[in-house]
Amino acid sequence: DQQVKQNSPSLSVQEGRISILNCDYTNSMFDYFLWYKKYPAEGPTFLISISSIKDKNEDGRFTVFLNKSAKHLSLHIVPSQPGDSAVYFCAASAGADNTGKLIFGQGTTLQVKP
Amino acid sequence: DSGVTQTPKHLITATGQRVTLRCSPRSGDLSVYWYQQSLDQGLQFLIQYYNGEERAKGNILERFSAQQFPDLHSELNLSSLELGDSALYFCASSVLPRTDTQYFGPGTRLTVL
Repeated sequence: DQQVKQNSPSLSVQEGRISILNCDYTNSMFDYFLWYKKYPAEGPTFLISISSIKDKNEDGRFTVFLNKSAKHLSLHIVPSQPGDSAVYFCAASAGADNTGKLIFGQGTTLQVKP
Repeated sequence: DSGVTQTPKHLITATGQRVTLRCSPRSGDLSVYWYQQSLDQGLQFLIQYYNGEERAKGNILERFSAQQFPDLHSELNLSSLELGDSALYFCASSVLPRTDTQYFGPGTRLTVL
């Protein structure tokens, strides 16, 4: 039972354009969501997070949108840069279970072409 | 650099053996998490410790165990290793025990031959 899904295994975008990465979840108890970027042979790097009391959070070129009714979140990267090429994971946690356990999606590989 | 350190970076061993992976959390972080990433898989939660106590367990095999020491570093012990245990093992840490950003270490790549 995959509670967090990233349905697009890969995405290719031209440098300077917008990258939109999508994530769907099924567990309505999730109340905290995070995006991580991962390069090969490295650990995941935290990018941005959002609490379920918000619908948008922005940090520089990165914006995360949360649509609770649709159980959907997205990460927008504007403008995209070649250095953004990596695997992006969304993750979710449910504070009600009183743990920090993160449930991860399968990841989306983003390629930004110069 | 996330501030989370993991040793060793690579580990190659044989089936049936036992290994120990070590993690030091970021300074000030009380919570430590272990995740496994197998080939073509996302990250799977194994176990969480908070201030020395086990906080949550995921689908961790009985052959695997972990602990968090008084200095807050953690060790993940894997025994009776099988070929399918070959994976990347990541440690993460956070300040709070829940609803908090987790920062990941560089991982330990375990290869079981």
